[in-house]
Amino acid sequence: AQTVTQSQPEMSVQEAETVTLSCTYDTSESDYYLFWYKQPPSRQMILVIRQEAYKQQNATENRFSVNFQKAAKSFSLKISDSQLGDAAMYFCAHRSGSARQLTFGSGTQLTVLP
Amino acid sequence: EAGVVQSPRYKIIEKKQPVAFWCNPISGHNTLYWYRQNLGQGPELLIRYENEEAVDDSQLPKDRFSAERLKGVDSTLKIQPAELGDSAVYLCASSSRGQTADTQYFGPGTRLTVL
Repeated sequence: AQTVTQSQPEMSVQEAETVTLSCTYDTSESDYYLFWYKQPPSRQMILVIRQEAYKQQNATENRFSVNFQKAAKSFSLKISDSQLGDAAMYFCAHRSGSARQLTFGSGTQLTVLP
Repeated sequence: EAGVVQSPRYKIIEKKQPVAFWCNPISGHNTLYWYRQNLGQGPELLIRYENEEAVDDSQLPKDRFSAERLKGVDSTLKIQPAELGDSAVYLCASSSRGQTADTQYFGPGTRLTVL
């Protein structure tokens, strides 16, 4: 069974600064996908970024980028130029190539300080 | 393109009462998921549908929970009777195999409070 661990229950960052959220996972499969979702107080889970395990290049979406270390089973999210609207709970999630369900971590609550 | 629609957004009931949640996935998405999210935790899968067939319901408490997806489009999740421990957010998501990484898109969820 896959497990996803987010070791930082809470993080804070100053507006316009950079913050990195950590995520590690455990899987025996070589084909899988990783995701970061953002959940603001409205509860809507919003996709932030995704990474296919077979791709060596780290995914990037505007101010969001990942550091994917496959051997270490690490998948951290970097948010550059943090904005007040980035404040939310961030979840790391794993999906194996064969199964279609997502396994989520316990989340990191990000606070952006003005 | 419309997103995943869920209703109601909030529901407060007394224990032992029945409750139902409704979900309409993104048009064209053949896979539909129901997740339960307890306070301070990540979502956990309850059931997955491929079109109208439930293909993974191993985490669904079948003694009180039921779900259906007639005609392979919208879906209903029911709890009868509800217990105090069922208080949570119930999230619906949908995906399409044709999309990158089979990405799941979520609805806004239903927050259930059982008194």
